[in-house]
Amino acid sequence: NAGVMQNPRHLVRRRGQEARLRCSPMKGHSHVYWYRQLPEEGLKFMVYLQKENIIDESGMPKERFSAEFPKEGPSILRIQQVVRGDSAAYFCASSPGYQEDRGGGSPLHFGNGTRLTVT
Amino acid sequence: SQQGEEDPQALSIQEGENATMNCSYKTSINNLQWYRQNSGRGLVHLILIRSNEREKHSGRLRVTLDTSKKSSSLLITASRAADTASYFCATDGGWWDFGNEKLTFGTGTRLTIIP
Repeated sequence: NAGVMQNPRHLVRRRGQEARLRCSPMKGHSHVYWYRQLPEEGLKFMVYLQKENIIDESGMPKERFSAEFPKEGPSILRIQQVVRGDSAAYFCASSPGYQEDRGGGSPLHFGNGTRLTVT
Repeated sequence: SQQGEEDPQALSIQEGENATMNCSYKTSINNLQWYRQNSGRGLVHLILIRSNEREKHSGRLRVTLDTSKKSSSLLITASRAADTASYFCATDGGWWDFGNEKLTFGTGTRLTIIP
């Protein structure tokens, strides 16, 4: 009965290093969403993926950020050459995707996030 | 641009009172959802209301939706200390973004229940 699992829970990186954040969706969910949250702010959409496909990456910065959701294994959000401004909480959510019989609108199930600190 | 904006940004009430939070959005939607976030944790889904619905209840929660005003409200009745959290509304992209299940979240209301 595992929910969305994110690891690591906390990640500290020095400027210029790479950060890899992992997300395992709920069992039976094939859609993954990544969001970023700054302190005292709401969630900013980054990217929406289905297995092996990127559905919507309109919120992803053009450089240094990439995401994948391979056929096997967790979804990975990768940040290259991190800068202090990348410090934030990164949340992953999953859903079963669009369900026509329900008219769409599946609730998202969130993990507890990865808190990235760039020093 | 940010789809949802919650009002007020922060709300403190006595335990047992009712708490009302409002959300306004800018473009057409298929559905609107409310989520709760406890400090340091992920968001938890509370309730979903579709664009053809006006009101929905779940336990002590009551959600209304007014598509003509592009606004929604979340009412928590008989508040408890455990209701202390941030509350967010989230909207989909509407019919023009059919099949895209991503949600856009508002800035949230920080609710504090005083025992």
